[in-house]
Amino acid sequence: EADIYQTPRYLVIGTGKKITLECSQTMGHDKMYWYQQDPGMELHLIHYSYGVNSTEKGDLSSESTVSRIRTEHFPLTLESARPSHTSQYLCASSGGGGQFNEKLFFGSGTQLSVL
Amino acid sequence: AQKITQTQPGMFVQEKEAVTLDCTYDTSDPSYGLFWYKQPSSGEMIFLIYQGSYDQQNATEGRYSLNFQKARKSANLVISASQLGDSAMYFCAMREPSGNTPLVFGKGTRLSVIA
Repeated sequence: EADIYQTPRYLVIGTGKKITLECSQTMGHDKMYWYQQDPGMELHLIHYSYGVNSTEKGDLSSESTVSRIRTEHFPLTLESARPSHTSQYLCASSGGGGQFNEKLFFGSGTQLSVL
Repeated sequence: AQKITQTQPGMFVQEKEAVTLDCTYDTSDPSYGLFWYKQPSSGEMIFLIYQGSYDQQNATEGRYSLNFQKARKSANLVISASQLGDSAMYFCAMREPSGNTPLVFGKGTRLSVIA
């Protein structure tokens, strides 16, 4: 069914490092999203994109940045990781549906731990 | 204001019994879509069921059904004949077409199925 891939699956890094979380989808979806989720908690939208060269910030303030140079690729970058960035990051995509019935397809997530 | 409210942080159900997970929503838009997702301990988000605001009948997908009460703004998920594999977090979400906004998620309900 859905083909959306996130790498790495787990990442442990030290404070101050620059990291990029990768997300790719092979479904040709125009819309892509990044959500942040602490264990057992709700999902918070941090970034989304409705097409190439289009990105928007979500509801949750985030120190990360995103880019959308290709339809299939939506990487998320943290310039200087901090322990407060420790969380799970979920990438999702949607497309081809109507105005409000498009379901999101999710990747497996990246569990980030910043020491 | 919270767009999606899930008032049950945790629920227990006996195997083979039915269980209802509550979800209420807040919108002034007459057109909207409601979604339920399941998140097992492995972390991936799995789409379960969708209900559109203009759908005349309650949505059903296998053992999942949605008890949609538009006047009360509730969209409860009913799982029939619970299985041990149903133990997971369950998230209710909504999309409103105005502004082409992404999905907004509730805080989730953790369901535990007991043998």
